[in-house]
Amino acid sequence: KNEVEQSPQNLTAQEGEFITINCSYSVGISALHWLQQHPGGGIVSLFMLSSGKKKHGRLIATINIQEKHSSLHITASHPRDSAVYICAAGAQGGSEKLVFGKGTKLTVNP
Amino acid sequence: DGGITQSPKYLFRKEGQNVTLSCEQNLNHDAMYWYRQDPGQGLRLIYYSQIVNDFQKGDIAEGYSVSREKKESFPLTVTSAQKNPTAFYLCASMMTSGIPSYNEQFFGPGTRLTVL
Repeated sequence: KNEVEQSPQNLTAQEGEFITINCSYSVGISALHWLQQHPGGGIVSLFMLSSGKKKHGRLIATINIQEKHSSLHITASHPRDSAVYICAAGAQGGSEKLVFGKGTKLTVNP
Repeated sequence: DGGITQSPKYLFRKEGQNVTLSCEQNLNHDAMYWYRQDPGQGLRLIYYSQIVNDFQKGDIAEGYSVSREKKESFPLTVTSAQKNPTAFYLCASMMTSGIPSYNEQFFGPGTRLTVL
């Protein structure tokens, strides 16, 4: 069993829909990262959080440390949000090694 | 502009040849990382370095080698011993602040290596 599990694996939505991507982890973490990978392959860091909730524009990330669960929400989705969203757990211990989920491929249709 | 550069974007090599992938950062970050990405799998850590002249093996180091002679540079060599080298390789760097929750990894654009 992967230490970081994401669901769903694939997600198709219509423009304007509210989107949720889930991440569960089994390791102790120092922080939980949400990353976005576009078709060209480059990766951008969206959020890094260790508690509570963070918001940036239409993106919201939440984490429940007790339940070892995090969610990424996209409000008013747009075709430009189409990408692979990756959850990664930052391991405890100081090296900041990341354990990655397999990613969720999001397609937003106009 | 500050950032991480990887070159080239696409690389083709014949089986049995060693190949070196470049990773340079001008962010003054202490730590650097190499990841491999295969279809349908999460990124996996190959090697990482937290300080110049020091590096540690990640989860899949066999068949790879690295060096960290300068803070800005962390080249990865894919040797002929790597049994399945065709993959997408990503380099990342991070400022190690001593407070893990403050540390964010920045990623390069990646190099897609195809071994023929």
